[in-house]
Amino acid sequence: QQQVKQSPQSLIVQKGGIPIINCAYENTAFDYFPWYQQFPGKGPALLIAIRPDVSEKKEGRFTISFNKSAKQFSLHIMDSQPGDSATYFCAASRSGQNFVFGPGTRLSVLP
Amino acid sequence: DAGVTQSPTHLIKTRGQQVTLRCSPISGHKSVSWYQQVLGQGPQFIFQYYEKEERGRGNFPDRFSARQFPNYSSELNVNALLLGDSALYLCASSPRGEVNQPQHFGDGTRLSIL
Repeated sequence: QQQVKQSPQSLIVQKGGIPIINCAYENTAFDYFPWYQQFPGKGPALLIAIRPDVSEKKEGRFTISFNKSAKQFSLHIMDSQPGDSATYFCAASRSGQNFVFGPGTRLSVLP
Repeated sequence: DAGVTQSPTHLIKTRGQQVTLRCSPISGHKSVSWYQQVLGQGPQFIFQYYEKEERGRGNFPDRFSARQFPNYSSELNVNALLLGDSALYLCASSPRGEVNQPQHFGDGTRLSIL
């Protein structure tokens, strides 16, 4: 019940494409859902986050879509660039504590 | 402003030894969390501290312990090291560790057990 499932495991898109990464959770007590981007040798960096009372949130080229009834949320990257090539993690927490991370999606954006 | 800083950046130990990892949070942040990230996997939550009190503990053995100091810096200690403890250990800080407060990560300590 504490798991966060993430798919796909890896993703390859052309420059300008819109990669979509999906996550699903079981614990309905989760109330905060962030997405992180991680480059090799670096720690995860927060991209965007959403609360379950909002169905969509946009920040720059990044959009989170949230489906509370299905217990699913997804990350869309608009106009993807080669510099977006990284590993992306979804996460969930309850009251800002004990974050649970998905297994990650390795994204490659081809020039 | 300085981000979350962790030391050392790399560490090599042998089985059975003990290790101490250090973390300095972003200035003004009072909550620190520790994570273990095995190669190719997502970070796994180990501990969260706020105002020097343990607020949360993940599913790790008692060989793992941590503490937070009055200046909000933190140490993670691991005793009786096993080969499986080889991982990137990440520290994250947030203002108060409450909902809507993002966690900011350091670049981690890469621990290798021989």
